[in-house]
Amino acid sequence: SQKIEQNSEALNIQEGKTATLTCNYTNYSPAYLQWYRQDPGRGPVFLLLIRENEKEKRKERLKVTFDTTLKQSLFHITASQPADSATYLCARMDSNYQLIWGAGTKLIIKP
Amino acid sequence: EAGVAQSPRYKIIEKRQSVAFWCNPISGHATLYWYQQILGQGPKLLIQFQNNGVVDDSQLPKDRFSAERLKGVDSTLKIQPAKLEDSAVYLCASSRTGDYGYTFGSGTRLTVV
Repeated sequence: SQKIEQNSEALNIQEGKTATLTCNYTNYSPAYLQWYRQDPGRGPVFLLLIRENEKEKRKERLKVTFDTTLKQSLFHITASQPADSATYLCARMDSNYQLIWGAGTKLIIKP
Repeated sequence: EAGVAQSPRYKIIEKRQSVAFWCNPISGHATLYWYQQILGQGPKLLIQFQNNGVVDDSQLPKDRFSAERLKGVDSTLKIQPAKLEDSAVYLCASSRTGDYGYTFGSGTRLTVV
């Protein structure tokens, strides 16, 4: 079965540094990968989508990469701020547009 | 645009009781999803609607859970009877058809005691 794996340990980063989160998947490459942010008590918020034929996608301070050889996506937040603290979820989207989710990585940005 | 509306935000019920959740998706979004999220885990799909038809309900415990989407807009998810393990956050999401991001509601936190 298809799986999405994210680091279950919280990631602590100093304010101003770049935070990098990892998403690994098994079996065949998904058509798309999506990244979401989730704050406590709220639903996930869509951030970025990257297609399998794209190496990189950017949005403001966010950057996502997709390496089909390593079966991995990296999510970067540059110039991190305490307001970036949240849980970040990776999800694979297959050709029927359904999402299979990772468990998320909690990011803590320390001032 | 208005977001996905869900109600109630919180619900506490005793086991074997019934409960219903309501969702109003973003106008024009043909696809609607119900997810169950347990603390520390990613969302688990329960059911997916395309307009008012069911696309996938393979992970819906049909002996106790039911869902409907009348007229392809609002949707309700019902649990009857509830079990302790149903305690979770129930999320509704909607999307346009295709490779678009989902828009989620704030969810309903259900506690079964």
